[in-house]
Amino acid sequence: GESVGLHLPTLSVQEGDNSIINCAYSNSASDYFIWYKQESGKGPQFIIDIRSNMDKRQGQRVTVLLNKTVKHLSLQIAATQPGDSAVYFCAENRAGRSGNTPLVFGKGTRLSVIA
Amino acid sequence: EAGVVQSPRYKIIEKKQPVAFWCNPISGHNTLYWYLQNLGQGPELLIRYENEEAVDDSQLPKDRFSAERLKGVDSTLKIQPAELGDSAVYLCASSFKTSGGTNEQFFGPGTRLTVL
Repeated sequence: GESVGLHLPTLSVQEGDNSIINCAYSNSASDYFIWYKQESGKGPQFIIDIRSNMDKRQGQRVTVLLNKTVKHLSLQIAATQPGDSAVYFCAENRAGRSGNTPLVFGKGTRLSVIA
Repeated sequence: EAGVVQSPRYKIIEKKQPVAFWCNPISGHNTLYWYLQNLGQGPELLIRYENEEAVDDSQLPKDRFSAERLKGVDSTLKIQPAELGDSAVYLCASSFKTSGGTNEQFFGPGTRLTVL
């Protein structure tokens, strides 16, 4: 299944299928991006990040793709599991000499995994 | 290693009452953030501390909100008086400052505030 991010906030996928969650970011100066997972009643949890000098980064069952030309970020989850059900947020940040500048979060996409 | 600790987890108050939230960041993290999260939305920054100094409070409604981080460790966020529209989740996060490095922020579980 595929989400168009802000325009489709809920994504339902069958267990075992791959999920793709999309995000459009706004600031062309942003050079660091993070995907967070937020389960009900919990704070956001770091999943994976990517710097702007990369266009792809892989983690365990997750891949983040960055297209700077169109300011688009996606999160791919392989073999989606029930435990992946959560709201996923992309966040952009302008890293640099000042270090820890705040994150700007997108609206989020709710992923529901159907067993 | 303990994560970011927040208390209380839930708070219900009547409008015009004061309320305070407490955050204990991860040990060694010099940067602390308070975020506001409305239902169905992403977190929005209220204030950022580097050690005990508030370096970004441009989004903090200063007429009713205040924050402090004495000694550069724990922090308290206060609302006085609370309004109905303040009902939300208040998230605290912390990170370790790097020079030009990445910025992994660790979030606490949040305090869910309901103003009646």
